[in-house]
Formats: sequence, structure tokens, C-alpha cells
Amino acid sequence: GNSVTQMEGPVTLSEEAFLTINCTYTATGYPSLFWYVQYPGEGLQLLLKATKADDKGSNKGFEATYRKETTSFHLEKGSVQVSDSAVYFCALSDGSGSARQLTFGSGTQLTVLP
Amino acid sequence: GAVVSQHPSWVICKSGTSVKIECRSLDFQATTMFWYRQFPKQSLMLMATSNEGSKATYEQGVEKDKFLINHASLTLSTLTVTSAHPEDSSFYICSAHLAGGGEQYFGPGTRLTVT
Repeated sequence: GNSVTQMEGPVTLSEEAFLTINCTYTATGYPSLFWYVQYPGEGLQLLLKATKADDKGSNKGFEATYRKETTSFHLEKGSVQVSDSAVYFCALSDGSGSARQLTFGSGTQLTVLP
Repeated sequence: GAVVSQHPSWVICKSGTSVKIECRSLDFQATTMFWYRQFPKQSLMLMATSNEGSKATYEQGVEKDKFLINHASLTLSTLTVTSAHPEDSSFYICSAHLAGGGEQYFGPGTRLTVT
């Protein structure tokens, strides 16, 4: 079955530090990959996505590249801000364009200190 | 675009009562919606897949008679927690699938507390 393994948290960084949150996956076929962010007390928001190998998703300074050879989709940001403090979830969907279920990683709590 | 709302955002009810949670896609039609449950500091657990005009598909271990799902229109799905107990207290989140992109758009969640 599908699975997503995500770097365990919590992660605490100082403002302007470099962020990496590791994510690897196991799936049959060619899944689409996503990063979602959840701010305190809120639902999940799509941060970025990639639908095929070597695609790079990017949004709000965050980036992640779909690496089929290493089955990874690591999230990076060059300079984090206090407002980036949230929980980040890596997820996969086993079939873009169709209403397939999402499989989530366990989530990584990020705290950015001023 | 692709906004999903949930109502109520939080609810407190007494043990033994039923609670209905609504999930609406505001600016698009969703033939498929999903219901998740999230415990504190944990990931989302898929409860069921809701398809417009047909019965929901429940994940293993989720009681379909306890968590009633109705998807009567392309913009509305409801989850009713029947005979709620304190262990049903949780954060319930719905999502709607936007055709073509593969991703889901999530509602803000409903915090249920059963006393």
C-alpha cells in the first residue's frame, strides 16, 4: 500500500534560517505529491504540489522537487519567518486528475523564533 | 477559488446526542468529498469517501452507523455523529476534490467536544 514517511519534529529554527523537512514515499504507479500546511486551529491549506517526476512545486518561498529515483519530496525554504510556524504535512495521491485518496505523513511541527 | 467551508467551527454536546457537521464547496462542484478525523498533534485519519448521489465508502474500523454521511448535492456533504460519546471528541475535517488537479481542498475543520 501507499505510505509517506516524514521527518519527525518538532523543528525549531531562528528567523532567516534554512529549512528542510524530509519526506519519502512508497507508492505503486506514479503518484502526485503534495505539501500541506496547517496553522494553529485551522484546516489544511495546500502549499505546493508536483504531479510527475522532476517537477518542482513552489509557493511562498517554499520548494519541493519530485525525485522518483529517491522516492522523495523534501520541503525547503531558504529563509524562514516567524509566520511560517505551523504543522507541515507531506501527502501523496495515487492518481492525478481523479478523486483519489490522500495518504498523509505524520506531520512536522515547525516553530520559528524571532 | 476552491474554497471549502465547514459549519459549525466548534460544537459542544452532551453524551448520547447527535451532531451534524456540514461541508460545502463554495465556488466549485465536488462530486467527491472526504471526511477526516484528527487527534491532537497527530496526522489526519481518513474516515470515509463521500460521493454525490451514492453511499459513502468507509475506511476499515470506522462505524458507518455511528458516522452517517450524506452527500445530497454537488456542493454539500454532511457528517452526523450519532449517539456521541466523549471518545468521539476530535477535530473533524472535510475536503473536496477539484477535478483535473488531483489535489483536495480542505475545510477549516470542526472541533467537537462531547461532555
